[in-house]
Amino acid sequence: ETGVTQTPRHLVMGMTNKKSLKCEQHLGHNAMYWYKQSAKKPLELMFVYSLEERVENNSVPSRFSPECPNSSHLFLHLHTLQPEDSALYLCASSAQLNTEAFFGQGTRLTVV
Amino acid sequence: GENVEQHPSTLSVQEGDSAVIKCTYSDSASNYFPWYKQELGKGPQLIIDIRSNVGEKKDQRIAVTLNKTAKHFSLHITETQPEDSAVYFCAARPNAGGTSYGKLTFGQGTILTVHP
Repeated sequence: ETGVTQTPRHLVMGMTNKKSLKCEQHLGHNAMYWYKQSAKKPLELMFVYSLEERVENNSVPSRFSPECPNSSHLFLHLHTLQPEDSALYLCASSAQLNTEAFFGQGTRLTVV
Repeated sequence: GENVEQHPSTLSVQEGDSAVIKCTYSDSASNYFPWYKQELGKGPQLIIDIRSNVGEKKDQRIAVTLNKTAKHFSLHITETQPEDSAVYFCAARPNAGGTSYGKLTFGQGTILTVHP
């Protein structure tokens, strides 16, 4: 266990649904990240938060909306997704920006 | 921006053999190169990393070498075991500090299979 917990582990949603992914870390880290992992593609950075402030938004469609209410929790709100958004969504945290990142186990998302 | 190429995409070895995975990067400003191992159903886990001020780093059966002039770095696993079977990712990151984020750019991954 890395200390980064993601829920749910699996999610199937229709294109008109609204759902949220949750990430929680109790490592005392100040930075949190969302990555998208698609088959046969490199991990894609989506969002970066440091001390609850968004510091990176990597040209992600607005149907993905992050929220960082405190330094221990990170959410990814999903709405009106497309089938090509199906992927493994990974959350990570690090003590500070630019230090070692610890990944959660991911949420396997399927959009039908 | 940075571009990281990783080869091979799949690698199959017999238990006890060595495995080598190679990555090249494009941005000469990159100075941090981690390697991650991802087992089935799990997130990537850092296994070793190297910074640009050294050319080689070793941790038991795994080692990483870096050639800054040629902009490539490699992961070496010796005496492979079936539990080494996983997907391995290299990454590169430019120097950054303070409130500036140095983005990690990942390679495409290598599926390593170690046959007993």
